[in-house]
Amino acid sequence: AQSVSQHNHHVILSEAASLELGCNYSYGGTVNLFWYVQYPGQHLQLLLKYFSGDPLVKGIKGFEAEFIKSKFSFNLRKPSVQWSDTAEYFCAVTGPGSARQLTFGSGTQLTVLP
Amino acid sequence: ETGVTQTPRHLVMGMTNKKSLKCEQHLGHNAMYWYKQSAKKPLELMFVYNFKEQTENNSVPSRFSPECPNSSHLFLHLHTLQPEDSALYLCASSREGTGSTEAFFGQGTRLTVV
Repeated sequence: AQSVSQHNHHVILSEAASLELGCNYSYGGTVNLFWYVQYPGQHLQLLLKYFSGDPLVKGIKGFEAEFIKSKFSFNLRKPSVQWSDTAEYFCAVTGPGSARQLTFGSGTQLTVLP
Repeated sequence: ETGVTQTPRHLVMGMTNKKSLKCEQHLGHNAMYWYKQSAKKPLELMFVYNFKEQTENNSVPSRFSPECPNSSHLFLHLHTLQPEDSALYLCASSREGTGSTEAFFGQGTRLTVV
């Protein structure tokens, strides 16, 4: 079965600091990759997704992620975080066949200090 | 708003009670999902419906019983739950259930079993 690992459970940054959240997946076939964000008290919403093509994908609110197939990674980055980026971030993956449903990581809580 | 609405937002129930969670989407999607979100754990996929047919049941105990009367509505019937079933239950929908499109999530029902 495929799995998704997010190694950082809680990240604390000051405003304007750069962000990188790690995500690794175990599935070896063709995958679709997602980052979702959950702001306090709100629903999960999509930040960005990778299906094919350019491995560097840009999402909303200045976030981007890079798919590195050889490393089975899809790390999320933002050059300069804001206090409003405080939220929980989830990496997720789907694959073909029996792995076609979203498998989520355990999430990373990001706290940005003003 | 995501277009996926869940009711109720909060539910407290005793272990002998019977209750139901409701999910409604008006996005024209054909796939609907139930997820369980517990603290410090990855989102767990519970059930998947594609075109009103249940296509996945991830070894969920029978005290959870899903129902999908049409492609816009999804229910989760609960009976004789245990305290460890306390969690946030999320409903999601997607255009189809093959993993190649993004999922849209509701705000969840916070369930407490006492």
